[in-house]
Amino acid sequence: EAAVTQSPRSKVAVTGGKVTLSCHQTNNHDYMYWYRQDTGHGLRLIHYSYVADSTEKGDIPDGYKASRPSQENFSLILELASLSQTAVYFCASRQGNTGQLYFGEGSKLTVL
Amino acid sequence: AQSVTQPDARVTVSEGASLQLRCKYSSSVTPYLFWYVQYPRQGLQLLLKYYSGDPVVQGVNGFEAEFSKSNSSFHLRKASVHWSDSAVYFCAVSSYRGSALGRLHFGAGTQLIVIP
Repeated sequence: EAAVTQSPRSKVAVTGGKVTLSCHQTNNHDYMYWYRQDTGHGLRLIHYSYVADSTEKGDIPDGYKASRPSQENFSLILELASLSQTAVYFCASRQGNTGQLYFGEGSKLTVL
Repeated sequence: AQSVTQPDARVTVSEGASLQLRCKYSSSVTPYLFWYVQYPRQGLQLLLKYYSGDPVVQGVNGFEAEFSKSNSSFHLRKASVHWSDSAVYFCAVSSYRGSALGRLHFGAGTQLIVIP
């Protein structure tokens, strides 16, 4: 069974502050993703990575940075958090030969 | 460009009744199609996927979906729902291949409420 763990599970941040969301996977998957979920909307892709030390922009990368220091770890960084970044963030991983994503349980971020 | 529309934000059915959740997609190429389910306070889990071949695909827990190229649809069905099926269901599409395959576009989701 795929295992993707996110931390923190919930965070309250102040506008203009820095936020780091972390993701760790134990499945030896090459691909990792960060998606954002807003209430009443589907998930949207922020950044993804298919190899350590390299990241790619997704569909809504503005205001976010990503870091993949190792195959197992993938972080999402908000350098200057804004109210509009209040959302639930999901990390996911994928094996290279299948389209199935394995999701973490999500990180709820509230920016005040 | 690709997009996914789930026209029903909420569906309520009685336990034991049949179910259909609708999904329409837009894609310039034949896409890969997915249904994911999200239970409360959990991440998304894959129900089923379609890549090619038989347009009716079977998934977990008795769910199935039918791909229709002519209608650009990928509707989810279940013959008899259980109260534990109550969740939010997402249809997703990917027109990418190779390293970008995991770049999914999700619909807004349909909340399924099963009345015991």
